[in-house]
Amino acid sequence: QQPVQSPQAVILREGEDAVINCSSSKALYSVHWYRQKHGEAPVFLMILLKGGEQKGHEKISASFNEKKQQSSLYLTASQLSYSGTYFCGTEIRSNSGYALNFGKGTSLLVTP
Amino acid sequence: ETGVTQTPRHLVMGMTNKKSLKCEQHLGHNAMYWYKQSAKKPLELMFVYSLEERVENNSVPSRFSPECPNSSHLFLHLHTLQPEDSALYLCASSQGRDRGYEQYFGPGTRLTVT
Repeated sequence: QQPVQSPQAVILREGEDAVINCSSSKALYSVHWYRQKHGEAPVFLMILLKGGEQKGHEKISASFNEKKQQSSLYLTASQLSYSGTYFCGTEIRSNSGYALNFGKGTSLLVTP
Repeated sequence: ETGVTQTPRHLVMGMTNKKSLKCEQHLGHNAMYWYKQSAKKPLELMFVYSLEERVENNSVPSRFSPECPNSSHLFLHLHTLQPEDSALYLCASSQGRDRGYEQYFGPGTRLTVT
């Protein structure tokens, strides 16, 4: 049930762009994106509720293709502070409501 | 205190010990969660509480026992753990269990079972 993230890891130079993909084999009701820095708690970035929805947060944005059961996170002109592990969480229907399943994460390292 | 807090931050315990992890949320949320985070694995949902009632138990061994005395506090009682239970245990909360509520995570408890 867990979504599949790609790539597993990426190294960027400051100012470069990156795309992180998240796909699911099950119908999705929403997609969440979180970032976790080493030794810290995951921090919520954004949530996409509708197919075709796109959102932005500074230079980080995301899209949600409901039909393809996919979401992508776009990091533009990356900064050193973007380093961390990015997780997508996909909401699926469970017996007791909605359950959030996380991917294995994509490790992003931005170098000077 | 703001957000979600967890204590202790680090815990080393033997396989025969009994210990408890504590989580407290100061956000007025109605749902609380326990996750296990191991190296190279995705976040694994362990338990979900909604309005103090357990609504999810994802096939977690009985050596892990959750308790939710009120909507602000969540405990994870541990006994006779195995070395493979060593991991980061994260607590999270959300406004509700309906679709689309983001989860706020605590800093986690790093557990080592010796």
